[in-house]
Amino acid sequence: AQSVTQLGSHVSVSEGALVLLRCNYSSSVPPYLFWYVQYPNQGLQLLLKYTSAATLVKGINGFEAEFKKSETSFHLTKPSAHMSDAAEYFCAVSDYGNKLVFGAGTILRVKS
Amino acid sequence: DADVTQTPRNRITKTGKRIMLECSQTKGHDRMYWYRQDPGLGLRLIYYSFDVKDINKGEISDGYSVSRQAQAKFSLSLESAIPNQTALYFCATSPRAYNEQFFGPGTRLTVL
Repeated sequence: AQSVTQLGSHVSVSEGALVLLRCNYSSSVPPYLFWYVQYPNQGLQLLLKYTSAATLVKGINGFEAEFKKSETSFHLTKPSAHMSDAAEYFCAVSDYGNKLVFGAGTILRVKS
Repeated sequence: DADVTQTPRNRITKTGKRIMLECSQTKGHDRMYWYRQDPGLGLRLIYYSFDVKDINKGEISDGYSVSRQAQAKFSLSLESAIPNQTALYFCATSPRAYNEQFFGPGTRLTVL
């Protein structure tokens, strides 16, 4: 069965600093991977997705993620954090295409 | 107008009461899902449906039931609510396998 581990339940960065949110997955088949963002009191919004077309995936709001099969990782990065990036971020893997399995989430705090 | 709507947005109920959460979508998607979100646990799948005649249990279906009244409507019921069902509930839709899911704004349920 597929599973997702997000390292670090809370990450704190200064405004303008690099954002790095870690995600490792377990999958017995080629994975489809997703990053979602949840702003306070809102639903989840898709940031980006990996569907095997390219290992470096660019998403909205300046985020990108790199698929590394050898490390079973799909870490999310952004070169320069903005206050508006403060939110909870979820990594998810597709379960044979029919369901999503989510990680526990990482809360990103951006300090001014 | 939002593509995926959930009603009510907030609900406080008492132990033992029956409660229904409703989800409607205008995206024309066949696949619909119900999740609950608890702090530190991410999103966990309760039930999912791939069309009107198809209902499947997720990883935490005990204590819940669902009804797919039409392609656009998917309701979640708690037959006899208990306090540990206090959580944030999300409905999601998807057009096909391996595709991203689109989330509603959520229903915050409190069981006293």
